[in-house]
Amino acid sequence: LAKTTQPISMDSYEGQEVNITCSHNNIATNDYITWYQQFPSQGPRFIIQGYKTKVKNEVASLFIPADRKSSTLSLPRVSLSDTAVYYCLVVAWSGYSTLTFGKGTMLLVSP
Amino acid sequence: DSGVTQTPKHLITATGQRVTLRCSPRSGDLSVYWYQQSLDQGLQFLIQYYNGEERAKGNILERFSAQQFPDLHSELNLSSLELGDSALYFCASSVDGGGNYEQYFGPGTRLTVT
Repeated sequence: LAKTTQPISMDSYEGQEVNITCSHNNIATNDYITWYQQFPSQGPRFIIQGYKTKVKNEVASLFIPADRKSSTLSLPRVSLSDTAVYYCLVVAWSGYSTLTFGKGTMLLVSP
Repeated sequence: DSGVTQTPKHLITATGQRVTLRCSPRSGDLSVYWYQQSLDQGLQFLIQYYNGEERAKGNILERFSAQQFPDLHSELNLSSLELGDSALYFCASSVDGGGNYEQYFGPGTRLTVT
């Protein structure tokens, strides 16, 4: 099971781009990298998932280098409502693997 | 709204008691997951069911059990409750059982054991 390491907390200001990096040195060939967002007292919400290179959706981008030992979640022009905990997870592509949430990164966006 | 419903929203009970938490997955989702979130342990995976069968087990105590019914709703039973069982319990569902499938989380049930 690939272990992930990400910063405990990050601070930003409204309108800035935020990049949260996650390391996963022992990622396996069939593992995907997945990010979830969680607001206080709410269940986590899927943000984005990728395997290699770059993935982009309407809320975020995910950059994955060729060796896949790390990944960076990029949030463009954050707002106060982006203040949340962000979890980086590595999940198997197939089979019945489950999600292992670490401590996540607490992102605080200030005015 | 994720489409996953959980009842009750809040539950207060005493030590030694037994409670049942209920979860209805999104329409069409076959897999249900249960998680426990406490301040000191973070978000912990408990158990997964897929189309009525247990598929994976995580850090679930022997005092806890779960099942998924033919209509795909699931129940988590917690017995001989202890103070340390106080936590938020989340249910999630996904269309399939693989970890790469997006999981949709419910609003959670807050359990307080006094």
